[in-house]
Amino acid sequence: AQSVTQPDIHITVSEGASLELRCNYSYGATPYLFWYVQSPGQGLQLLLKYFSGDTLVQGIKGFEAEFKRSQSSFNLRKPSVHWSDAAEYFCAVGPLAGSYQLTFGKGTKLSVIP
Amino acid sequence: EAGVTQFPSHSVIEKGQTVTLRCDPISGHDNLYWYRRVMGKEIKFLLHFVKESKQDESGMPNNRFLAERTGGTYSTLKVQPAELEDSGVYFCASSQDGLGGRTEAFFGQGTRLTVV
Repeated sequence: AQSVTQPDIHITVSEGASLELRCNYSYGATPYLFWYVQSPGQGLQLLLKYFSGDTLVQGIKGFEAEFKRSQSSFNLRKPSVHWSDAAEYFCAVGPLAGSYQLTFGKGTKLSVIP
Repeated sequence: EAGVTQFPSHSVIEKGQTVTLRCDPISGHDNLYWYRRVMGKEIKFLLHFVKESKQDESGMPNNRFLAERTGGTYSTLKVQPAELEDSGVYFCASSQDGLGGRTEAFFGQGTRLTVV
């Protein structure tokens, strides 16, 4: 069965500091990988996605993520965090063979200190 | 273009009552998905519609949950009778193609269901 692990439940960073959110997955083939963000009172918004090709993908809001097959990882990074980045971040993998469902991690809540 | 819209945003019901959640997908999106997040846990897949047909309902927890998508437009998810463990946030998503077509799913803001 496929699974996604986000080892950090809660991270606090200072505004302007760099950020890396970790994501590891277990999957039987090359997956499609996604990062979503949920700001307070909002729905899930796609930050970026990886399907194939260049393993460093750029997303919205200045985020990027790198797919590392050897480490089964897809970590999310941002060089300088803004207070508006405070939200919950979800890594997801899909599709499951024969189904278009996504498998999500438990999420990482990001707090930003002014 | 309107996004995925869910109604209501919040619902508080008593155990044993019935609740119906509604999802309006983005116009033209044939694929519609329901997901649920129970407090402190992962967002979990419930089911997938392609137009009005249930493509995959492997994530539906039990027969107290009934999803419909009449006419291939909006969808409803009914919980009858509701139990305490049904509390959580229910997300709806839609996509133009299935994920095998390398398209993204757009999510609604979710319905927070509280069963007391």
